[in-house]
Amino acid sequence: AQKVTQAQTEISVVEKEDVTLDCVYETRDTTYYLFWYKQPPSGELVFLIRRNSFDEQNEISGRYSWNFQKSTSSFNFTITASQVVDSAVYFCALRDNQGGKLIFGQGTELSVKP
Amino acid sequence: SAVISQKPSRDICQRGTSLTIQCQVDSQVTMMFWYRQQPGQSLTLIATANQGSEATYESGFVIDKFPISRPNLTFSTLTVSNMSPEDSSIYLCSVEVEAGNEQYFGPGTRLTVT
Repeated sequence: AQKVTQAQTEISVVEKEDVTLDCVYETRDTTYYLFWYKQPPSGELVFLIRRNSFDEQNEISGRYSWNFQKSTSSFNFTITASQVVDSAVYFCALRDNQGGKLIFGQGTELSVKP
Repeated sequence: SAVISQKPSRDICQRGTSLTIQCQVDSQVTMMFWYRQQPGQSLTLIATANQGSEATYESGFVIDKFPISRPNLTFSTLTVSNMSPEDSSIYLCSVEVEAGNEQYFGPGTRLTVT
C-alpha cells in the first residue's frame, strides 16, 4: 500500500530559526513522484516542489531546501531563517502511478512566532 | 503552470439541498481531480474527472452523492447532493497538465451545511 507519513503534527519556532519538516513515504513503485505543498490560513494549496525518484540531488530554492533520501524513503523539507509568513500547514504527497492522484500525509502545522 | 478558478468560493447551505461547484482551468489539461478536506484534516480524493466519460470514484465516495461532469479539457463540476452537516468541508479541484508533472490546485470552495 502507498502511504505518506508526516509524524510532526505541529511545530513552533521563533523567527530566524531553521526548521525541518519530515516526510516518510511507502511505495512499491520504482518510479514515482513526490510533492510538497503549503496551505496558508487562507486555505489555498500552493505548490512548492515536485521531485521524481530518479533524481536524488538535493534542491534549494531561496530559503527552502529539500533532502530526498531514497534509501530511507524520506523527503524532508527545511526552511532556513524562518519568517512569520512561513506559518502554514505543509503537506507532503506521493503520486499514485495508477491514476495520478496524490496521496497526502496528515500535514505539519508550522507556527513561526516573531 | 495552470491557473484554476472555482465557483463559489464559499457557501452556507441547508441540510438536504445540493450544491454544484465549478472548476475552470486556463489551459487544456489531461487530468482533473476533486478532493475533500474536512476541518483540520488532510486531503482525500473524491474522484478523477474523466473527459467525456463517467468519473472514477475512490472507495467511500459514490456517484449519487457526488456526481461529476467534465464536458471538455478545461472545465469540470462537482455536485454535493442531499447535504448533511458532515459534508461541511473544503472542496478542491486540481489539475495535472501532463502525466507526472506538477499538480495545481484551485482556491477551494468552503462549504458549511447547517
